[in-house]
Amino acid sequence: DAKTTQPNSMESNEEEPVHLPCNHSTISGTDYIHWYRQLPSQGPEYVIHGLTSNVNNRMASLAIAEDRKSSTLILHRATLRDAAVYYCILVRNAGNMLTFGGGTRLMVKP
Amino acid sequence: DTEVTQTPKHLVMGMTNKKSLKCEQHMGHRAMYWYKQKAKKPPELMFVYSYEKLSINESVPSRFSPECPNSSLLNLHLHALQPEDSALYLCASSQAPLYGYTFGSGTRLTVV
Repeated sequence: DAKTTQPNSMESNEEEPVHLPCNHSTISGTDYIHWYRQLPSQGPEYVIHGLTSNVNNRMASLAIAEDRKSSTLILHRATLRDAAVYYCILVRNAGNMLTFGGGTRLMVKP
Repeated sequence: DTEVTQTPKHLVMGMTNKKSLKCEQHMGHRAMYWYKQKAKKPPELMFVYSYEKLSINESVPSRFSPECPNSSLLNLHLHALQPEDSALYLCASSQAPLYGYTFGSGTRLTVV
């Protein structure tokens, strides 16, 4: 399975945008890029996913590099409730597994 | 109903006990999953059920026994566990992985 690389941790100030990077240089053509987050004492929560084009939803935006070897999750205005571990995961089309990497622990300062 | 419900939320069991974890979803999802998560680590896949049949077992020891009685229920039967099995056990479901997984809040298991 193709792997992803994320920084271990990042800090942000409240109400500022946050850009969480993810490298996936061995991504294959059938791999979708998914992002999940896990708040303290909760199960992971789906955030967003994409294949080639940038995607927006109510939670975040996903910017995908043209060569698909990296992507960035964008939180437009971080709040204290966004403090969580964010996981970037490649999901193969027709696959049946979600394999978590190390993730990025996002800390939000008031 | 857009939730995955796990019970109990907390469980303490001795190494000779037999207990079960329960997971329920009413979203019509065809696949259900068990994950194990140790402190400060990412979740690790244990089992995958697809259309009520076990499709993936990630070399999990036999002291963990999954069961899928119907499309809405998933159980994890525990027997003769070790203290190192103490962890957060997460259940998830999906219609298809591409559409996203829905996770429960987990059962925090302590083996004494």
